[in-house]
Amino acid sequence: DAGITQSPRYKITETGRQVTLMCHQTWSHSYMFWYRQDLGHGLRLIYYSAAADITDKGEVPDGYVVSRSKTENFPLTLESATRSQTSVYFCASYDAQLLGSPLHFGNGTRLTVT
Amino acid sequence: AQTVTQSQPEMSVQEAETVTLSCTYDTSESDYYLFWYKQPPSRQMILVIRQEAYKQQNATENRFSVNFQKAAKSFSLKISDSQLGDAAMYFCSNKGGSNYKLTFGKGTLLTVNP
Repeated sequence: DAGITQSPRYKITETGRQVTLMCHQTWSHSYMFWYRQDLGHGLRLIYYSAAADITDKGEVPDGYVVSRSKTENFPLTLESATRSQTSVYFCASYDAQLLGSPLHFGNGTRLTVT
Repeated sequence: AQTVTQSQPEMSVQEAETVTLSCTYDTSESDYYLFWYKQPPSRQMILVIRQEAYKQQNATENRFSVNFQKAAKSFSLKISDSQLGDAAMYFCSNKGGSNYKLTFGKGTLLTVNP
């Protein structure tokens, strides 16, 4: 099925461990995004990518690393997880060729850092 | 820089009645797009309605409509004939024409009372 898939849906990890959240889209959208959602903060942009091998920081990039070797994949890595990174993470993509196109979201990953 | 403000953290409405969710924004872009997203308990982000800033006519989608006041930079969402399934978190968002990033408000939690 076409769409955007995130995995895992839930993840529990310990402080200091490396964690990678996966994101895969089947539309070949050029733009992809990672947001985190926290109560009282709404959704905040972590990183985004305009195309394969092109990434840039968003509002809250510290502690995160991204890569995009293929258009369809945009993994997010927490190199050394901290409790403050406990959050719900959303991946999204966007069709840049359609002006005003909305973001299409994955179903999110709930990450708990203990 | 873009900002989006939702001044109502929580709202409630009786089933079958009408409710309006407020949103104000700020942007330096002359061309931009505004969106309302709904997030039910399932965590899925669902596009409710979209408005192009260059259009004076307010967007409508069935029971959902917006009151777009460009000069006041206001973009409120009206839900008519509220249904129990409308209960969700609602996010207002803004995307500039030259900026592919979507900026979100902090959200309004809508409760629908039977």
